[in-house]
Amino acid sequence: GAGVSQSPSNKVTEKGKDVELRCDPISGHTALYWYRQSLGQGLEFLIYFQGNSAPDKSGLPSDRFSAERTGGSVSTLTIQRTQQEDSAVYLCASSQALPPLPSTDTQYFGPGTRLTVL
Amino acid sequence: GENVEQHPSTLSVQEGDSAVIKCTYSDSASNYFPWYKQELGKRPQLIIDIRSNVGEKKDQRIAVTLNKTAKHFSLHITETQPEDSAVYFCAARRGIGGAQKLVFGQGTRLTINP
Repeated sequence: GAGVSQSPSNKVTEKGKDVELRCDPISGHTALYWYRQSLGQGLEFLIYFQGNSAPDKSGLPSDRFSAERTGGSVSTLTIQRTQQEDSAVYLCASSQALPPLPSTDTQYFGPGTRLTVL
Repeated sequence: GENVEQHPSTLSVQEGDSAVIKCTYSDSASNYFPWYKQELGKRPQLIIDIRSNVGEKKDQRIAVTLNKTAKHFSLHITETQPEDSAVYFCAARRGIGGAQKLVFGQGTRLTINP
């Protein structure tokens, strides 16, 4: 079936502009995660959703970052007043997150959105 | 919170030889440890995982071992092939409270020399 999809694949923006990144999880997956990967670095957790709720927002770097998920499906990550240090690949993942956890809770990643802030 | 350390950061081996990547974690509540492979410009792909009630798991040429007492786990790739060249990430996750974030190591860039 269809995997996790993200759009746009690439985004170039000017410093100070707002951007929206979209994630479409695998159908039926209740959990959705956002990670950030800076050049040559590991994956840094940002936020995750269980349904439409966000139990863990601890990874959001500042209040310029926000995310929402509606209808238990699509999620949008918004970065306001972008800065050059926001340049990175933003990866989304989804998992079933159905009982009994954690035996079936593999996270599947999307292709990412490469954000460049000039 | 959880902290995952991964070593080495780069690894170069001759085709046909074995490669070993090691990770340590800090949170004793972590009970799930996946390994992801990321080829250049591609998404991370799960290659193998292990749960804390198991000490070793093998899938063809790859295997993962877990030592809960020492809080470390390792990826072993035998009979390496050029297509094994990629960046490998280890991760750890707590097993309580529903879906949980993955905490990743910094990655190991593996190069297989023909």
